[in-house]
Amino acid sequence: DAGVTQSPTHLIKTRGQQVTLRCSPKSGHDTVSWYQQALGQGPQFIFQYYEEEERQRGNFPDRFSGHQFPNYSSELNVNALLLGDSALYLCASSFGLSPPEQYFGPGTRLTVT
Amino acid sequence: DQQVKQNSPSLSVQEGRISILNCDYTNSMFDYFLWYKKYPAEGPTFLISISSIKDKNEDGRFTVFLNKSAKHLSLHIVPSQPGDSAVYFCAASKGYSTLTFGKGTMLLVSP
Repeated sequence: DAGVTQSPTHLIKTRGQQVTLRCSPKSGHDTVSWYQQALGQGPQFIFQYYEEEERQRGNFPDRFSGHQFPNYSSELNVNALLLGDSALYLCASSFGLSPPEQYFGPGTRLTVT
Repeated sequence: DQQVKQNSPSLSVQEGRISILNCDYTNSMFDYFLWYKKYPAEGPTFLISISSIKDKNEDGRFTVFLNKSAKHLSLHIVPSQPGDSAVYFCAASKGYSTLTFGKGTMLLVSP
């Protein structure tokens, strides 16, 4: 039973560029949430997708956008990268919108130079 | 404004003893609480949860206690094992919504 998978593992981008991160949810899960974890901090909620729609959004600017595909996989896009966007980006999946137990992937480490 | 706080960045315990990790929250609307464990280079792994209608939940060596009046929860690990060494995150949600995490506590269990 495959867990949550994310690609790529690591990524280095230059300030001002755009990046796309990908996530495949755990088998049987249909909801995907994205989190940003800065160094020394806990994960911070970016947004959640269910039925191919953004259902909830955290306090992140519009430079952060996403998409969910019919097979429940998801993408996170970040435009006009800033140095402060350097972080570990975590994808989590769950079944439906409740309960809140979410299963996390290993993350994508993004470095912006 | 940090709504979930883990005030101890680290904790060291000897193998076989009890580990107690603490978490405080400020938002009284939170009604579900979770603990996650994270090893380096891995994503957080769900450990145990508790609903606000309960004050205790056990799963093997792990027990979570909730004190709603104090807005405080704790995770007890008994007995602690070296493999428990990891970063532990406390998280909270309201209405089965998204998760708000604390900054984490690094637990080191020495043989």
